[in-house]
Amino acid sequence: DTGVSQNPRHKITKRGQNVTFRCDPISEHNRLYWYRQTLGQGPEFLTYFQNEAQLEKSRLLSDRFSAERPKGSFSTLEIQRTEQGDSAMYLCASSLSAGRETQYFGPGTRLLVL
Amino acid sequence: QQQVKQSPQSLIVQKGGISIINCAYENTAFDYFPWYQQFPGKGPALLIAIRPDVSEKKEGRFTISFNKSAKQFSLHIMDSQPGDSATYFCAARSGGSEKLVFGKGTKLTVNP
Repeated sequence: DTGVSQNPRHKITKRGQNVTFRCDPISEHNRLYWYRQTLGQGPEFLTYFQNEAQLEKSRLLSDRFSAERPKGSFSTLEIQRTEQGDSAMYLCASSLSAGRETQYFGPGTRLLVL
Repeated sequence: QQQVKQSPQSLIVQKGGISIINCAYENTAFDYFPWYQQFPGKGPALLIAIRPDVSEKKEGRFTISFNKSAKQFSLHIMDSQPGDSATYFCAARSGGSEKLVFGKGTKLTVNP
């Protein structure tokens, strides 16, 4: 299966700790997206990369959040000084550019901050 | 401010019945409207999508109806099956942005 993969699938951490999640997009996709989904809600956009360039960021992405895609392939999302309100499912998606809008989502990383 | 309003929150239908989920939006800059299906523990998967230059799009048992003047669109699932039981999200995207704006979701249960 060559879909979007995310690691880890689950993460439990204590408040104040830093966490990092990884996303590997579909191999030929040059666009990569991060979303956050809380229980009973739809996904909320966080940020988007085209190749290695971060082109769009949501106001939800506070200073404690940073995302990178250093070589235009995999991406990492880091949350510093985690808070209980950061508990959510973090979803990664990827797509081809050139007008192909379908965003293919990975299975997500579920974060629980105690 | 919720940009895409989805209803109902939950829906129970009998096998073989029609499931209808509705969404409404305010932002007239939206130009792409996908529907996603999500099973527990999985990421959302695209079902079907429509642009506002057509009023209806059908793919198998799934149909999107789009009413541009009313700023509403809906998903119809014909001959609903127990395997269709999942959470369905409508979404929208405006030109010039890659951001998908999602509704809150509808949990569909299809009873055998």
